[in-house]
Amino acid sequence: QKEVEQNSGPLSVPEGAIASLNCTYSDRGSQSFFWYRQYSGKSPELIMFIYSNGDKEDGRFTAQLNKASQYVSLLIRDSQPSDSATYLCAVNQDAGGTSYGKLTFGQGTILTVHP
Amino acid sequence: DAGVIQSPRHEVTEMGQEVTLRCKPISGHDYLFWYRQTMMRGLELLIYFNNNVPIDDSGMPEDRFSAKMPNASFSTLKIQPSEPRDSAVYFCASSSGRHFPYEQYFGPGTRLTVT
Repeated sequence: QKEVEQNSGPLSVPEGAIASLNCTYSDRGSQSFFWYRQYSGKSPELIMFIYSNGDKEDGRFTAQLNKASQYVSLLIRDSQPSDSATYLCAVNQDAGGTSYGKLTFGQGTILTVHP
Repeated sequence: DAGVIQSPRHEVTEMGQEVTLRCKPISGHDYLFWYRQTMMRGLELLIYFNNNVPIDDSGMPEDRFSAKMPNASFSTLKIQPSEPRDSAVYFCASSSGRHFPYEQYFGPGTRLTVT
């Protein structure tokens, strides 16, 4: 079982719709959760992080975390063609010691927003 | 503040040659990570350092790969001898293990092509 799994996609949504990206993780000790966006040919860019159960909103983006279900999601409202990218979910297990900075990444979900 | 700096941005070399990739982390960050990304395998963690000390190199594919961090502001990833299957984008990332949630910031990457 992979440590961090994302819905494989690709995901295609029309402009203006809500895009929903999902991620599950296996380690119950995980403490913080990240969503990175990666445009083709570019490096991953941090767009949101969350560490408390519930929702966190930033503009058109909402991250949702449910630690009991080991599930984190990213909702993109009013999707735009410029949101078309690969979205990577990453998890920090906060194992202590020298592992604080280490993240485990999912394989990514390709999102296409068509006009 | 400047982000993570990597050089070169592109490298084309012939099989058997030595390749050296360079990284300057964000000032003040105590973690540095080397990743490799391919279409087939996604984003793979190769090795990471904490306070210039290698912590986990289990992702280094074989003895042809080596990494060093002689000081807090510089790291190298060396491949000797290079092979065509090493062709990939190599990312360097850094983070602070002193500031929760320990998010990572990526450099622009080095696209390596081995012919």
